[in-house]
Amino acid sequence: RKEVEQDPGPFNVPEGATVAFNCTYSNSASQSFFWYRQDCRKEPKLLMSVYSSGNEDGRFTAQLNRASQYISLLIRDSKLSDSATYLCVVNSRTDSWGKFQFGAGTQVVVTP
Amino acid sequence: GAVVSQHPSWVICKSGTSVKIECRSLDFQATTMFWYRQFPKQSLMLMATSNEGSKATYEQGVEKDKFLINHASLTLSTLTVTSAHPEDSSFYICSARDVSLGQFFGPGTRLTVL
Repeated sequence: RKEVEQDPGPFNVPEGATVAFNCTYSNSASQSFFWYRQDCRKEPKLLMSVYSSGNEDGRFTAQLNRASQYISLLIRDSKLSDSATYLCVVNSRTDSWGKFQFGAGTQVVVTP
Repeated sequence: GAVVSQHPSWVICKSGTSVKIECRSLDFQATTMFWYRQFPKQSLMLMATSNEGSKATYEQGVEKDKFLINHASLTLSTLTVTSAHPEDSSFYICSARDVSLGQFFGPGTRLTVL
């Protein structure tokens, strides 16, 4: 079983709509969670950290559910520029900082 | 944010040759850098943790003699793919940690072995 699992998608979203997707992790010792965005053939870039109480950054909302071991990302008012692959990233308290476990990514395609 | 560079950004080589990839932290010192590999439509897989002044720590299944890592200074780590074969063709990405600013990824190196 993979440590971090994501629905690969693609999620086809009309411009202006809302899209949400989850990521599950298997290691209960995971303590740090992030969403990264990766454009085709580019490096991942940090979108936002995920805090226990949930957090929002503009049109993006991240939630953490420790009991069920998943995090979620919601994108409101989708823009064409939101088209990308969103990577779920997890760091375990038993690993050194920076030793990330990546999901394979969820592809989002925003259409006009 | 902090900047991490990689060189080259892409390379094509013949099977059996060795390829060196450089990862540099441009405006901060990184005692630890990480090397990842990403195959198409797959997740980034950590290959090894590169520690300045000491031996790298390799993940299970990664051959240390094939993927040579050297972290010669606080701003430079190199990954050498020795005797490359077509199955080594992949997107290699490094990341470096700045204690105060966080984790930053290099732009990646796309390796194609013919």
